[in-house]
Amino acid sequence: EAQVTQNPRYLITVTGKKLTVTCSQNMNHEYMSWYRQDPGLGLRQIYYSMNVEVTDKGDVPEGYKVSRKEKRNFPLILESPSPNQTSLYFCATQQDRTFYNEQFFGPGTRLTVL
Amino acid sequence: KQEVTQIPAALSVPEGENLVLNCSFTDSAIYNLQWFRQDPGKGLTSLLLIQSSQREQTSGRLNASLDKSSGRSTLYIAASQPGDSATYLCAVALRGTGKLIFGQGTTLQVKP
Repeated sequence: EAQVTQNPRYLITVTGKKLTVTCSQNMNHEYMSWYRQDPGLGLRQIYYSMNVEVTDKGDVPEGYKVSRKEKRNFPLILESPSPNQTSLYFCATQQDRTFYNEQFFGPGTRLTVL
Repeated sequence: KQEVTQIPAALSVPEGENLVLNCSFTDSAIYNLQWFRQDPGKGLTSLLLIQSSQREQTSGRLNASLDKSSGRSTLYIAASQPGDSATYLCAVALRGTGKLIFGQGTTLQVKP
């Protein structure tokens, strides 16, 4: 079954404690990205990756890091989380950079930073 | 800067009605437009994808149209059911990065 997996699904943490949210896909997709969803602001892109070892900033990259060492994985790293990073996070994938195909979204990770 | 607007923000209809959700965007330089469904606290499920060169796509009771020149898309839901209750989001994929720019969504309630 084609799927995008995120872990953890829910996380409550404290300010400054480094955390990683993992994203994994089994569709051999080249393109992966991270979004955050906030009430009143909608979904905004954080980072994206066109392929292995290729990443670039989206609209709201501050406070986040990503890496793409393998095609299937695209972890989101918060080195020093702050309360304003409390949000619902989604990983998304697409077949390739031609962008003629739909984007698939993971189930989301609800993060609370105290 | 691309902006995506969805009207109305919320809609409540009785079961069985046909309905139209609207999406408008400001820049026609897009790869495609995608409609998603989101249930409360859940992820996004892709409903329909319309390429920039296409005019419409259909899936079951759903029909989406795209008029790139006027910057508009509509999602038509036929014979609505309570199970259709959800938030519907449209998103355009920008040329160059493929980044999705989302509208704020229309929250639909279908009453039995």
